[in-house]
Amino acid sequence: GQSLEQPSEVTAVEGAIVQINCTYQTSGFYGLSWYQQHDGGAPTFLSYNALDGLEETGRFSSFLSRSDSYGYLLLQELQMKDSASYFCAVRGAPGTASKLTFGTGTRLQVTL
Amino acid sequence: DTGVSQNPRHKITKRGQNVTFRCDPISEHNRLYWYRQTLGQGPEFLTYFQNEAQLEKSRLLSDRFSAERPKGSFSTLEIQRTEQGDSAMYLCASSRQGTAYEQYFGPGTRLTVT
Repeated sequence: GQSLEQPSEVTAVEGAIVQINCTYQTSGFYGLSWYQQHDGGAPTFLSYNALDGLEETGRFSSFLSRSDSYGYLLLQELQMKDSASYFCAVRGAPGTASKLTFGTGTRLQVTL
Repeated sequence: DTGVSQNPRHKITKRGQNVTFRCDPISEHNRLYWYRQTLGQGPEFLTYFQNEAQLEKSRLLSDRFSAERPKGSFSTLEIQRTEQGDSAMYLCASSRQGTAYEQYFGPGTRLTVT
């Protein structure tokens, strides 16, 4: 089966940097995706790592270590609009590379 | 707007009734996914299609749930004999083949079973 662990809540100040960690246990693994979801909204894709290392997309970066079954999402220059839930999702299960298994999410609160 | 659309946005039904939801994916996407999300949880995979073929169905999915994508475009999700535990947000997503990691989600259908 698949299981993912994320902190349930994180609070940070506007302009700061925050890191959201994700550890996973899976029986199949192709990569780790990150999604953002505002209250009442749909999840939106942020980033994907298939290989070890850092992927940078503007203010957001994502890191993966396959050997440690660990990844993180790094948000820089935090803005109030970044207050949302962030989900890591593992791509891959026995027999399929198309299924995403989501974590329970980390609720980020950005304060002044 | 050419994003994923879902209808209805809200559905209130009495226990035991059948409900059907519709999803229209992004037109050039051949993969379509259904998820269920409850408060404070991440989306839970239900099933997915490649074109009109249903390729995987969650083992957690009761036989009361069925999904179709008859012409490889829109999809429907039907829940028969609804139960209060079915109350959730039902999300549809689509992707191009080979980029399942980047799924585009619709706004969801919120189901309330009374």
